Amino acid sequence: ELKVEQNPLFLSMQEGKNYTIYCNYSTTSDRLYWYRQDPGKSLESLFVLLSNGAVKQEGRLMASLDTKARLSTLHITAAVHDLSATYFCAVTTGTASKLTFGTGTRLQVTL
Amino acid sequence: NAGVTQTPKFQVLKTGQSMTLQCAQDMNHEYMSWYRQDPGMGLRLIHYSVGAGITDQGEVPNGYNVSRSTTEDFPLRLLSAAPSQTSVYFCASSPPHRGLEDGYTFGSGTRLTVV
Repeated sequence: ELKVEQNPLFLSMQEGKNYTIYCNYSTTSDRLYWYRQDPGKSLESLFVLLSNGAVKQEGRLMASLDTKARLSTLHITAAVHDLSATYFCAVTTGTASKLTFGTGTRLQVTL
Repeated sequence: NAGVTQTPKFQVLKTGQSMTLQCAQDMNHEYMSWYRQDPGMGLRLIHYSVGAGITDQGEVPNGYNVSRSTTEDFPLRLLSAAPSQTSVYFCASSPPHRGLEDGYTFGSGTRLTVV
């Protein structure tokens, strides 16, 4: 059974600081996704990572994938308040219609 | 606007009542799925479909039924609502992953409370 673990579950950080969210998964995955969710809202797609060593960046967020370690990271550079949200990683394996999610990391960026 | 449309946005049910959560997409996506989101547990897959006429169970299917008579629609039925089904429900769709950047589009969610 595929399991996806994220840590930390909650992250409070000051504006301007850097931090990394970790996503571990238990079996070989086809694709890894990162999503952002604001309170009471739907999920917004951030990144799709397909292969070992893949790195994608958008603004202050950078995601990477190490398929051998079954690990993805979401790195936040010089955090700003607007990045406050819950971030989820999710993987597909086998049937592309099935996403397995991590429990999420609630990020709070304080002034 | 193209996307995934879920109705209703909010619903309160009494224990034992039945209802259908609607999900429709206009992107001609073959894959559709239903998730529930509970605090501290992320999103869990209820049922999914890889095409019209084909459905299968996910991680937490008990108490829910689905059907897929058309490509566009994938309704989720609660047969006899229970307080444990209080949750936020999301529908998602995706094309088959033939393209490198094919991803999932999520609906806006249905917040269901069972009292």
